[in-house]
Amino acid sequence: KNEVEQSPQNLTAQEGEFITINCSYSVGISALHWLQQHPGGGIVSLFMLSSGKKKHGRLIATINIQEKHSSLRITASHPRDSAVYICAVSGAGGTSYGKLTFGQGTILTVHP
Amino acid sequence: NAGVMQNPRHLVRRRGQEARLRCSPMKGHSHVYWYRQLPEEGLKFMVYLQKENIIDESGMPKERFSAEFPKEGPSILRIQQVVRGDSAAYFCASSRQGADEQYFGPGTRLTVT
Repeated sequence: KNEVEQSPQNLTAQEGEFITINCSYSVGISALHWLQQHPGGGIVSLFMLSSGKKKHGRLIATINIQEKHSSLRITASHPRDSAVYICAVSGAGGTSYGKLTFGQGTILTVHP
Repeated sequence: NAGVMQNPRHLVRRRGQEARLRCSPMKGHSHVYWYRQLPEEGLKFMVYLQKENIIDESGMPKERFSAEFPKEGPSILRIQQVVRGDSAAYFCASSRQGADEQYFGPGTRLTVT
């Protein structure tokens, strides 16, 4: 079983829909990261969370430390949101540095 | 204020040749991480370096792969005698000392023919 599990693996939506991507992890961590990768593109860090909730524009990320679970939500989705969204954790297993352990990614496609 | 730089962006090598991938961290960052993304697979940690030190190389294949981060100059990921299975995107990320937040470079896409 992977230390970081994401669901769903694939997600298709119509423009304007509300999107939720989930991430569960099985080890102690120092922080959880949400990353975005466009096809053939680089990786952009969207959020880094160690507790609570963060919001940036139409994106909201939350984390529940007790349940070892995080969600990334996109309100009013747009075709330009189409990308792979990757959940990653740092400090897994008590490591004292930021080495990332990744989920398998969620492929989001938003149709106009 | 340049971000993390990687070069080359695309690299084609024939089987048996050497590949050298370079990563210049953001200004003020002394920690470098290398990650590999195989086709149709997720990202995997390879190695973590500080200046002149390899801290964790638990994700590096035991043979043909090496990494360095000298006192001056970029971090280098070196793959000797490349094979087709080395074809992947190689990303480097950098961070400040003690910080969890990492900034990614654009990646080097290695194709072995």
